Amino acid sequence: GAVVSQHPSWVICKSGTSVKIECRSLDFQATTMFWYRQFPKQSLMLMATSNEGSKATYEQGVEKDKFLINHASLTLSTLTVTSAHPEDSSFYICSARSASGRISGELFFGEGSRLTVL
Amino acid sequence: AQSVTQLGSHVSVSEGALVLLRCNYSSSVPPYLFWYVQYPNQGLQLLLKYTSAATLVKGINGFEAEFKKSETSFHLTKPSAHMSDAAEYFCAVSDTGGFKTIFGAGTRLFVKA
Repeated sequence: GAVVSQHPSWVICKSGTSVKIECRSLDFQATTMFWYRQFPKQSLMLMATSNEGSKATYEQGVEKDKFLINHASLTLSTLTVTSAHPEDSSFYICSARSASGRISGELFFGEGSRLTVL
Repeated sequence: AQSVTQLGSHVSVSEGALVLLRCNYSSSVPPYLFWYVQYPNQGLQLLLKYTSAATLVKGINGFEAEFKKSETSFHLTKPSAHMSDAAEYFCAVSDTGGFKTIFGAGTRLFVKA
């Protein structure tokens, strides 16, 4: 099956610094990737839809200047949390859809990235 | 608009017992329905999906789900629970274009020895 890899799995940073999380589709091309945030014991909250070669589409209430998304190639999307603060600490998950997935709607998920801001 | 409701945030079963996780959906168009499983500190893994073919869908690890349009349900079952099934399970609905996926709140499954 299609594989999506996220890096890093864990990151701890100081308040005020920026953190970049990468999401790669390893064996397929993903024109669309999705970024989610998951709070403890809660469901996934869609933050933004990342489209290759164009600007990301952000969900209502998500600060696009704080959560910068870049989808420069068909296999890589990045999420940068700028000037991170403790309230940004969360589990961030990406997903991607393969060409067949556009028909079936199936998403392939990365392993997730746990961000802790001190 | 689409929505998903998972009944019961926690379900506890004994090892070897039937697993039943409930999911009801709302969709104005024929839906695609999914069950995903999440283990601690990991992403989601697809268990099974319904995409308008057979209404009884078999997935990985012995799980299956039945699409019932009249009940707008897509409950997940497994005849005999195993300790390794303990995880968080998410029901999700997508439109036929697959443009947006809506996730339920999740149900945490506990399996007692």
